[in-house]
Amino acid sequence: AAGVIQSPRHLIKEKRETATLKCYPIPRHDTVYWYQQGPGQDPQFLISFYEKMQSDKGSIPDRFSAQQFSDYHSELNMSSLELGDSALYFCASSLRTSGGAETQYFGPGTRLLVL
Amino acid sequence: AQKITQTQPGMFVQEKEAVTLDCTYDTSDPSYGLFWYKQPSSGEMIFLIYQGSYDQQNATEGRYSLNFQKARKSANLVISASQLGDSAMYFCAMREGLGGTYKYIFGTGTRLKVLA
Repeated sequence: AAGVIQSPRHLIKEKRETATLKCYPIPRHDTVYWYQQGPGQDPQFLISFYEKMQSDKGSIPDRFSAQQFSDYHSELNMSSLELGDSALYFCASSLRTSGGAETQYFGPGTRLLVL
Repeated sequence: AQKITQTQPGMFVQEKEAVTLDCTYDTSDPSYGLFWYKQPSSGEMIFLIYQGSYDQQNATEGRYSLNFQKARKSANLVISASQLGDSAMYFCAMREGLGGTYKYIFGTGTRLKVLA
């Protein structure tokens, strides 16, 4: 079965640079979530999109922005990178259900290292 | 206040034995979902099991079962017949929210080590 695809899998950037992370959800999934997981930390919710509209916002810095495109893929844009942005960035996708049995499936993550 | 609490930072279990990983949650939403994810050292996040707040029976998926005690707000994961490959970080998570806006909140995780 198709899974969530994230690219790139690894990324090295320098301070003050920009980075773009891409996420391709499971086909027919209509919701995308972005998470940031620092070393030894639990995943922190950043932002989510439902049917190409921003659905909810978590602890996403103002330096970051994201969008979901017409083909449902999503991109997380990160500017003015800081050392503390080094983390594993997960994308997850789900299919909204009226019964509430929605389950999100995670991609393999993009490991970002800021030097 | 912590919405998801996992009180066991680390646990050991002997191969082939059963182990219970604790999770308690806090929400005022009548409709919510509870999840367990496994994160091996390779980093990917693997969905294990789901329990809906209205589900009458405890969820089971192969060797995984969820001991759902709604009144106590606990959703413990039971892994039966542990295998060496079960060694990983395990996260409990809760989905809450209504009206199409969902939030997913994770606990701090429990690191499980299965001993041969």
